[in-house]
Amino acid sequence: GDSVTQMEGPVTLSEEAFLTINCTYTATGYPSLFWYVQYPGEGLQLLLKATKADDKGSNKGFEATYRKETTSFHLEKGSVQVSDSAVYFCALSDGGSQGNLIFGKGTKLSVKP
Amino acid sequence: NAGVMQNPRHLVRRRGQEARLRCSPVKGHSHVYWYRQLPEEGLKFMVYLQKENIIDESGMPKERFSAEFPKEGPSILRIQQVVRGDSAAYFCASSKPGTGGEQYFGPGTRLTVT
Repeated sequence: GDSVTQMEGPVTLSEEAFLTINCTYTATGYPSLFWYVQYPGEGLQLLLKATKADDKGSNKGFEATYRKETTSFHLEKGSVQVSDSAVYFCALSDGGSQGNLIFGKGTKLSVKP
Repeated sequence: NAGVMQNPRHLVRRRGQEARLRCSPVKGHSHVYWYRQLPEEGLKFMVYLQKENIIDESGMPKERFSAEFPKEGPSILRIQQVVRGDSAAYFCASSKPGTGGEQYFGPGTRLTVT
């Protein structure tokens, strides 16, 4: 079945460092891809999405490009802030089940001042 | 502009008791999803409901678990005769029709079975 694999955490960075969180997927069809973020004590929030190959999703300085040839959707940010500390989840929706999401295990990011 | 509401936020039950988790979706959202997050795991889909209908329950354990989304009131996830392995965080999400995986999540209910 469909699945998502993302890099294990935790990831600890200094403020203004470059961030990459790797995410690869397995899907039989043409899924939509998402990054969700969970701040401490809160629910998940949609960070960005891409619905077809070569689409780039972006929001709040974060970017991810839908790469069909490498089945990847890596999350990047050029300069992280302390406020970016959270758990990041990569997810896919195959549409066949009308939108339920398949998640990776999550990557915890801690940014130190 | 209330988001998805879940209550209670924390629930402690003894083995064999029933757990009832509530979810009020974003106003105007007719689709509700329930996910479970076990320790050190990602979120796993359990069930997808629309008003008065279960659309997909492929992720729901066959026994003891049930879900509903009545015409009026919140969606309910019910776990009967809880066991220690049911201890987890349960998240509810809602969406509008046709928005695929763009879901709005509640803060979750953390269930502890003692």
